[in-house]
Amino acid sequence: QKEVEQNSGPLSVPEGAIASLNCTYSDRGSQSFFWYRQYSGKSPELIMFIYSNGDKEDGRFTAQLNKASQYVSLLIRDSQPSDSATYLCAVNKATGNQFYFGTGTSLTVIP
Amino acid sequence: DTGVSQDPRHKITKRGQNVTFRCDPISEHNRLYWYRQTLGQGPEFLTYFQNEAQLEKSRLLSDRFSAERPKGSFSTLEIQRTEQGDSAMYLCASSQSGERGGNEQFFGPGTRLTVL
Repeated sequence: QKEVEQNSGPLSVPEGAIASLNCTYSDRGSQSFFWYRQYSGKSPELIMFIYSNGDKEDGRFTAQLNKASQYVSLLIRDSQPSDSATYLCAVNKATGNQFYFGTGTSLTVIP
Repeated sequence: DTGVSQDPRHKITKRGQNVTFRCDPISEHNRLYWYRQTLGQGPEFLTYFQNEAQLEKSRLLSDRFSAERPKGSFSTLEIQRTEQGDSAMYLCASSQSGERGGNEQFFGPGTRLTVL
């Protein structure tokens, strides 16, 4: 079982729509959860992090964490073509400081 | 520029050669991580330093790989006797430890290694 699982996509949404990206993790004791955006050929860029159950909003981005279901999601409102990228979910487990990344979800926002 | 920097950005080498990469973290960050990423995959953890101490190393990491952070600032990653399977993007990230949270990692631009 993979530590972090994401639907690889591709996910396509029209410009202005809400994009919903999902991630599940296997270690129930995981403490910290991160979303990174990665453009083709570039390194990952941190866009959101969340540590507590519930929602966290930052501009057009909302991260949602449900520890009971071991599920974390990212919502992108008013999607723009510039949001087209691969979105990586990362989890910091309770033991040690190792981070585990999913394989990423490819998002395309269609103008 | 106060971000994470990596050098070189690209490296082409022949199989069997040794290569060394450098990472300079964000200056106030005490944690430094190395990852490897291949096409279509997420970053794969290689090793982690807190200050100069190497605290974790992936069990998947071959003994051809070694990393150092001698003064708790910059770090080097060396790959000995490179193999074609080592071709990947090598990413460095840094973070600042603190209370719960404060563990956000920031990535450098990466070093793309091609082994011929």
